[in-house]
Amino acid sequence: GIQVEQSPPDLILQEGANSTLRCNFSDSVNNLQWFHQNPWGQLINLFYIPSGTKQNGRLSATTVATERYSLLYISSSQTTDSGVYFCAVDKGIAALIFGKGTTLSVSS
Amino acid sequence: DTAVSQTPKYLVTQMGNDKSIKCEQNLGHDTMYWYKQDSKKFLKIMFSYNNKELIINETVPNRFSPKSPDKAHLNLHINSLELGDSAVYFCASSRPRDAIGTEAFFGQGTRLTVV
Repeated sequence: GIQVEQSPPDLILQEGANSTLRCNFSDSVNNLQWFHQNPWGQLINLFYIPSGTKQNGRLSATTVATERYSLLYISSSQTTDSGVYFCAVDKGIAALIFGKGTTLSVSS
Repeated sequence: DTAVSQTPKYLVTQMGNDKSIKCEQNLGHDTMYWYKQDSKKFLKIMFSYNNKELIINETVPNRFSPKSPDKAHLNLHINSLELGDSAVYFCASSRPRDAIGTEAFFGQGTRLTVV
């Protein structure tokens, strides 16, 4: 089956720093989503981005489908950005396959 | 307005008991799912339903039985609970975004603890 690898597994930042999270996937996909799981456990949709670039405030994402990777950029990080960031893909089986996540800790 | 809602949020029960988790979505989506998140935070698909029909059933013990009474509801019943069933269970629903892709939305999760 398709493999989804995220890096780095852990990231520690000072407030105000920028960061880039990476997601590699082993096959072509129909769907790619980024999620943020906050410290209360909620899974929050960040981006639906099977290809191209999108921006939402301090967050932006780029997926290069031909090279099978996606990047999530977080600028001017805040303590509320802490949590686990998941990349998930769907290869047309109507279910998401998740990476293991990047755990982000932002300190003030 | 809650889009995908699960009840209960927390469930503590003894081994051997039978329990149910309910899920409802008010987004009008045709497809609903159950995912399991283990203690290492890994999320894995368990079941997928489209228009009340089962379309994905991953390698899950048959003690787990999903039930979809209508498009807006997908409940999960678990028989003879075991310690290893302790996890967070997420319900989700999805909508088509383009010709081939779908976007999923998740409930707040149910933390099941079996003692």
